[in-house]
This record gives sequence, C-alpha cells and structure tokens, in this order.
Amino acid sequence: AQTVTQSQPEMSVQEAETVTLSCTYDTSESDYYLFWYKQPPSRQMILVIRQEAYKQQNATENRFSVNFQKAAKSFSLKISDSQLGDAAMYFCAYRKTSYDKVIFGPGTSLSVIP
Amino acid sequence: NAGVTQTPKFRVLKTGQSMTLLCAQDMNHEYMYWYRQDPGMGLRLIHYSVGEGTTAKGEVPDGYNVSRLKKQNFLLGLESAAPSQTSVYFCASSYSIQRGGQETQYFGPGTRLLVL
Repeated sequence: AQTVTQSQPEMSVQEAETVTLSCTYDTSESDYYLFWYKQPPSRQMILVIRQEAYKQQNATENRFSVNFQKAAKSFSLKISDSQLGDAAMYFCAYRKTSYDKVIFGPGTSLSVIP
Repeated sequence: NAGVTQTPKFRVLKTGQSMTLLCAQDMNHEYMYWYRQDPGMGLRLIHYSVGEGTTAKGEVPDGYNVSRLKKQNFLLGLESAAPSQTSVYFCASSYSIQRGGQETQYFGPGTRLLVL
C-alpha cells in the first residue's frame, strides 16, 4: 500500500527567507503524480504544485518549487521569499496514475515570522 | 463558477442523531470524493464516486453512506452520529481519467461537525 510521510509536524521561517518542507512516499508504481496542497486558516485546500513522476524536470510555480528524487522517493517543497500569506498547513499527496484516489500525508504546519 | 460548495459549514449533533452533508460542484466533474480531516492524520478518504449513480468505499467508510443521484451533487450521510465522527469534512471533485488533466482535485471549504 502507498504511504506518504511528512516528518516535520511544524516549521517556521523568517519573512523573505527560504524554507524547505520534506515529504517521502512509498510506492511500487513507476508512474504516478505527486502534489503539494496548502490549507490556510480558512481551511480550504489549495493546490500549490504538482509533479508527474515520468518527468525528470522539477516543477516550479512562481516562488514554489520541488525537489523530486524518484529513486529516493522524496518530494520536498521549497518556498522562496516567504510571505506572511504562506503561513498554512501544507500537505504532500500522492496519486497513482491509473486510479484517482489521492493519499495525503499528515501535514506540516508552517509559520512565517515577520 | 462557484467551484465546489458544501453545506452546512458547521453543525453540532447529539450522539445517535442523523444528518446529511451536501456537496455541489459546477465544473461538470465526473469524480467526487468525501474526506475527513483529523489532527495529525491528514485527509482520509471516506467514499468516492466515479460517476452519477455510482459510489465506492474509501479508507474509512464505516458509519457513513453516500449517494450520487445527480452528477453535480454528492451527499454524505451519517445515520447514527458518534463522537468519533467529530471532524472536518471536505468534499472534492475532479475530471475522469479519460478527460485528461484529472489528477488535480478541487476542494470545497469544509464542514466542521461536532458530535456530543
């Protein structure tokens, strides 16, 4: 069975600095999708970035980028130039290509210090 | 487009009471999902639907029932609420595999349920 692990329950970053959130996953599949979702205090889940496993190039969305290490089954999220609005719970998630069930990690709570 | 909406936003129930949570989406998505979110456990899939009239069990289906009579609506029912069902419930939707770009799920704002 697939699992997603986030080993950092809480993290903090100074405003304008860079922070990296860790995620590891376990799967026997060779093709799949990985995601980072953000959940601000409003509680709504917002897609931050996604990565297709067959693509070697790391995905990037503005200040958000990932470091995808397929062999190590690692998928970390880097937030550059952190802003106060980045404070939220961040969930790493996995989806097997052939089936639309998403498996979420337990989340990392990110605080941004002014 | 309103996206994915959920009603109610918050509800308090007594043990043994029943209720239905409504999820609606206006994006013509084939797939819909119900999750529950508990502290330290991320989101866990309760039930899902791959199309109108079809439903299937997720990771934690016990104590819940669902129905998908219309493509745009997905109902989650609790027949006899228990304190263990105190949680935040999220609905999500996505396109089917055949439509492409379906890996992204769109979430509703959540429903906070407290069972006393």
